[in-house]
Amino acid sequence: DAKTTQPTSMDCAEGRAANLPCNHSTISGNEYVYWYRQIHSQGPQYIIHGLKNNETNEMASLIITEDRKSSTLILPHATLRDTAVYYCIAAPGGGADGLTFGKGTHLIIQP
Amino acid sequence: SAVISQKPSRDICQRGTSLTIQCQVDSQVTMMFWYRQQPGQSLTLIATANQGSEATYESGFVIDKFPISRPNLTFSTLTVSNMSPEDSSIYLCSVELAPNTEAFFGQGTRLTVV
Repeated sequence: DAKTTQPTSMDCAEGRAANLPCNHSTISGNEYVYWYRQIHSQGPQYIIHGLKNNETNEMASLIITEDRKSSTLILPHATLRDTAVYYCIAAPGGGADGLTFGKGTHLIIQP
Repeated sequence: SAVISQKPSRDICQRGTSLTIQCQVDSQVTMMFWYRQQPGQSLTLIATANQGSEATYESGFVIDKFPISRPNLTFSTLTVSNMSPEDSSIYLCSVELAPNTEAFFGQGTRLTVV
């Protein structure tokens, strides 16, 4: 899996959009960008994934640059429950090899 | 989606003993994985649990220490053998329902070795 780089921590005010960046400059053509989050003491939760097009679901939006070397996860209206560690993972589609987790970004939503 | 049940949710064990962790999924899945999360750290893949054959272990993990069974498409066990305090971690089961889809995780088993 390609290595990803994320800021260690970020703060965001409640109700504002949280924009979490991820650098994956060595991503391969067959690797997707996955985002998961882990709320304290729980198992990781899938958020969204994409290959090269921007994606949106009920939880978030994923913006991938045209060269695919970086991406941004957007939580449109952050709430206190969004406080968690967010992991950006570049992995081949199919998931046959499991996931390689980096250190992630600790997002803290401030009231 | 998939609902994953892990048992036990937590345990405190004596060093030198073994603990078997169970992972039950509410539907048949092709891919099942076991991860370890050491205190304050990220998740590390231990192995892929293969149905009907030996598990595939990642570098740094061996079958003698972490034997895995996968008797069918909905169930797997991970045993942590001859435990030491360094094995104190959260152990998580994960599944993927189909290629190019998301992974689902259990809530984990919090193991403390004393």
